[in-house]
Amino acid sequence: AQSVTQLDSQVPVFEEAPVELRCNYSSSVSVYLFWYVQYPNQGLQLLLKYLSGSTLVKGINGFEAEFNKSQTSFHLRKPSVHISDTAEYFCAVTEPRGKLIFGQGTELSVKP
Amino acid sequence: DGGITQSPKYLFRKEGQNVTLSCEQNLNHDAMYWYRQDPGQGLRLIYYSQIVNDFQKGDIAEGYSVSREKKESFPLTVTSAQKNPTAFYLCASRDLGGERETQYFGPGTRLLVL
Repeated sequence: AQSVTQLDSQVPVFEEAPVELRCNYSSSVSVYLFWYVQYPNQGLQLLLKYLSGSTLVKGINGFEAEFNKSQTSFHLRKPSVHISDTAEYFCAVTEPRGKLIFGQGTELSVKP
Repeated sequence: DGGITQSPKYLFRKEGQNVTLSCEQNLNHDAMYWYRQDPGQGLRLIYYSQIVNDFQKGDIAEGYSVSREKKESFPLTVTSAQKNPTAFYLCASRDLGGERETQYFGPGTRLLVL
């Protein structure tokens, strides 16, 4: 069965510092991988996705993620964060046409 | 604008009452989903539908019911059998077209028990 582990439940960081949010998954087949962002009392917004091709994926708001098949990881990075990046971030995995499995979420808190 | 709408934004339920959450999409997606979100527990799948007039139970279907009479609409009823309904409910629709593969979410409905 597929599963997703987000290794940090909370990540505090100062403004303009780099950040990495870690995500590991388990699956025995080819997968699609996603990162979503959720601001308080709102729905989820897609940041980026990996379906195939280049393992470095660029998304909205300056975020990027790298798919590492050997380490079954899909870590999210941003070189310089802003106060407005404070939100909860979810990693998710699915087999093609399968159910989407979410991690527990990582709360990113950007401090001035 | 294409998208997913959920109503109401806040909903209050009295004990023993059934309530219905609305979800409408104009993205022309075949697949639609309902998730429940509780603090620190991520998103859990309640029900999903991959085509009109067909739906399947997710991981936590007990105490909930759905219908899918139209492609655009996938309402969720929280019945009196759901003993702990207080949560944030998210509806989603999904584009299953190869490189377009993505699940899109509505703004959510927060259900509170009086």
